Amino acid sequence: DTAVSQTPKYLVTQMGNDKSIKCEQNLGHDTMYWYKQDSKKFLKIMFSYNNKELIINETVPNRFSPKSPDKAHLNLHINSLELGDSAVYFCASSHLKRLAGGGEQFFGPGTRLTVL
Amino acid sequence: TQLLEQSPQFLSIQEGENLTVYCNSSSVFSSLQWYRQEPGEGPVLLVTVVTGGEVKKLKRLTFQFGDARKDSSLHITAAQPGDTGLYLCAAFMEYGNKLVFGAGTILRVKS
Repeated sequence: DTAVSQTPKYLVTQMGNDKSIKCEQNLGHDTMYWYKQDSKKFLKIMFSYNNKELIINETVPNRFSPKSPDKAHLNLHINSLELGDSAVYFCASSHLKRLAGGGEQFFGPGTRLTVL
Repeated sequence: TQLLEQSPQFLSIQEGENLTVYCNSSSVFSSLQWYRQEPGEGPVLLVTVVTGGEVKKLKRLTFQFGDARKDSSLHITAAQPGDTGLYLCAAFMEYGNKLVFGAGTILRVKS
């Protein structure tokens, strides 16, 4: 009964390649997120979708493109991968209104991306 | 400059010792959360504090929200190896509708 799942768990690829990470949540939440955690463990939000609509787009390069086919899925596609893209990427979900009131955000297990 | 400053960044202690982790900001928050992240996993919520001066206890963990709602602390009594992990504080930013995280405290408890 995984709440937030991501695939793949590990991704090793060459510079310049294009790759995708998939995320699914079965919690019935209306909002999904992508975070990047760097080597110093700092967790920074990249994107957020509420009911399939983009609501947060931090200063992320255009090479990163999120896609939400439905409320339960938020995928992340990365074009022309660079060395600096190496990090752990976390998907998360929540009810936006509950989050604003101190509610919980649920995280997936992460995808460790290594760009060689 | 980060919105939430956590200290210390790294803590290595012996089993049975006590410790305190701090999360400070110059901003006022309506609530503040603490998450714990184990290696290879995503962060998991430990607690949410919403009232200035509030104290919450979770077994050996005690969380406090500052009176002015600008800071918080996490105190662990008699730490155990199972407490090892990354502890993150987070606050909800109404401007942007997002959670902002501190840089985290890596705790290692040696047996």
